[in-house]
Amino acid sequence: RKEVEQDPGPFNVPEGATVAFNCTYSNSASQSFFWYRQDCRKEPKLLMSVYSSGNEDGRFTAQLNRASQYISLLIRDSKLSDSATYLCVVIAPPGNTGKPIFGQGTTLQVKP
Amino acid sequence: DGGITQSPKYLFRKEGQNVTLSCEQNLNHDAMYWYRQDPGQGLRLIYYSQIVNDFQKGDIAEGYSVSREKKESFPLTVTSAQKNPTAFYLCASRREWGRPGYTFGSGTRLTVV
Repeated sequence: RKEVEQDPGPFNVPEGATVAFNCTYSNSASQSFFWYRQDCRKEPKLLMSVYSSGNEDGRFTAQLNRASQYISLLIRDSKLSDSATYLCVVIAPPGNTGKPIFGQGTTLQVKP
Repeated sequence: DGGITQSPKYLFRKEGQNVTLSCEQNLNHDAMYWYRQDPGQGLRLIYYSQIVNDFQKGDIAEGYSVSREKKESFPLTVTSAQKNPTAFYLCASRREWGRPGYTFGSGTRLTVV
């Protein structure tokens, strides 16, 4: 089993749709989680951190489910500009300073 | 503005040559990382360094070497022992305070010719 797994997609959705991605991780001791966005042939950029209680940033909501060992990203009212690959990052123990492990990414295509 | 600078943006290497990719940051970050990304795939960790003069192997360190003589600099050498070096190489650094997360350079595309 991979340490961090994502459904590669692509997810094809119309503008205005709500879409959700999950990312599962294998090490139950992991403590830090992030979502990154990567545009084609560009570097990844931090989208948001994932906090235990869940957190929201505009149209984006991130959640953590420790019992089932996954994080999720929900995008509401999708825009064409949301089309990108979304990478989850899990920090391997110890604590918050272990090595970062990236999922392979989920590709989102928002259609007019 | 602070950031991470990778150079060159594009690099062509002949078979059997060693090449060095530069990564410089002025963010005063302690930890720095090198990743490799192949088309349609995620990022794989090559090497990382938490402090100056110390570094650890990642998941795919074979055929690569690094040094960390200064906090600002973390160069990656792709040696001739790396049999399939054509890829997109990304350098990142991590802040230890305030807003968490990793900052990436804009990457170097290495092609073997």
